[in-house]
Amino acid sequence: GAGVSQSPSNKVTEKGKDVELRCDPISGHTALYWYRQSLGQGLEFLIYFQGNSAPDKSGLPSDRFSAERTGGSVSTLTIQRTQQEDSAVYLCASSLVFGVVGGVPGYTFGSGTRLTVV
Amino acid sequence: RKEVEQDPGPFNVPEGATVAFNCTYSNSASQSFFWYRQDCRKEPKLLMSVYSSGNEDGRFTAQLNRASQYISLLIRDSKLSDSATYLCVVNYQAGTALIFGKGTTLSVSS
Repeated sequence: GAGVSQSPSNKVTEKGKDVELRCDPISGHTALYWYRQSLGQGLEFLIYFQGNSAPDKSGLPSDRFSAERTGGSVSTLTIQRTQQEDSAVYLCASSLVFGVVGGVPGYTFGSGTRLTVV
Repeated sequence: RKEVEQDPGPFNVPEGATVAFNCTYSNSASQSFFWYRQDCRKEPKLLMSVYSSGNEDGRFTAQLNRASQYISLLIRDSKLSDSATYLCVVNYQAGTALIFGKGTTLSVSS
């Protein structure tokens, strides 16, 4: 597609429920990243995927968080047993290259999923 | 120590003013540097890369001081449309994710 597409744009869920957030990257982009941004805070790295390599999960805050990327394209971030502190905007980004090389432009972000846990 | 630190602001300036933002990073091995812009309730968008020799893009000038681990962004002749949060972004090495600062908020008024 023309840009990174995320769905849903907004999600309100009850504490303890599971949620799935979807990201459809730019066609041909091999790298995909998940970040989250809490109110008034910076972007917190969660996980990234590069081609068929094992994902870097080092940023996932707990084992309630998991993500997968099927066929090297669409990715799903799953949060199990949601807690109120999970409320944030979850941003997905994709890029042509893994990380950044030299002066190559960085990521293209989707518009995010605003998750509210009540 | 935080990996990427920025003065959160807000910086409130009149149209036409020149304003400068600073950023420091903790990892001396960092290789790539960027400024992103984020409008309220929107996703971040790349503003410009930062090169060792310094670089300019219209009214925007970015500079890097590797010895001091310091990055700056200068905006000349501020416009109302420049009002946003400016994120300092660092990449430690190819193959790792970008590290974002918390951002500096700029408000330009008429």
